[in-house]
Amino acid sequence: GAVVSQHPSWVICKSGTSVKIECRSLDFQATTMFWYRQFPKQSLMLMATSNEGSKATYEQGVEKDKFLINHASLTLSTLTVTSAHPEDSSFYICSAGSHDNSPLHFGNGTRLTVT
Amino acid sequence: DQQVKQNSPSLSVQEGRISILNCDYTNSMFDYFLWYKKYPAEGPTFLISISSIKDKNEDGRFTVFLNKSAKHLSLHIVPSQPGDSAVYFCAARWGTSYGKLTFGQGTILTVHP
Repeated sequence: GAVVSQHPSWVICKSGTSVKIECRSLDFQATTMFWYRQFPKQSLMLMATSNEGSKATYEQGVEKDKFLINHASLTLSTLTVTSAHPEDSSFYICSAGSHDNSPLHFGNGTRLTVT
Repeated sequence: DQQVKQNSPSLSVQEGRISILNCDYTNSMFDYFLWYKKYPAEGPTFLISISSIKDKNEDGRFTVFLNKSAKHLSLHIVPSQPGDSAVYFCAARWGTSYGKLTFGQGTILTVHP
């Protein structure tokens, strides 16, 4: 069964609005979770690392004020896309591992469409 | 700069035959490699991994080979089944950045009955 749950699976929003995506680890506690993004016909790209109880670390080129990450508990991380624009339309996927050497488990992703 | 490359965007194989998916990397710091399988509108599912200290790892029908000198890895699926049809991503990571995976572009595998 799924060990990482992501919600919603798809969302359509209007330009200028904000969207929140939740990522939960179901069977383990995750002090660190990771947010990836995949544009059509491209690979998954790491956006940011979500750290429980502290600030997220963002990859180069990812706007931290636009993609707000909150990791308030050991099983939940949220990504909020603020003031969404059509170019933010993408497939957003979170991931987590139960310990440092374990393979990452991925959620089922969220398809965001901004109109 | 694409540090992990899968140069074949697609592969078509007959059921029962071997599927060989290839992946090349450029960053010699990578010390752990993984293969993921992905269906449309779903997240990747972990298949098999290999540490850089090994050159082969086998799990059922799946075998991953690593050639460090050539910076090349491959995934063999034997025998291939129609249910194996999906997008396959190779990924790499290094050192303490256990969660920071660098993915290839993916290869679409189609297994024909």
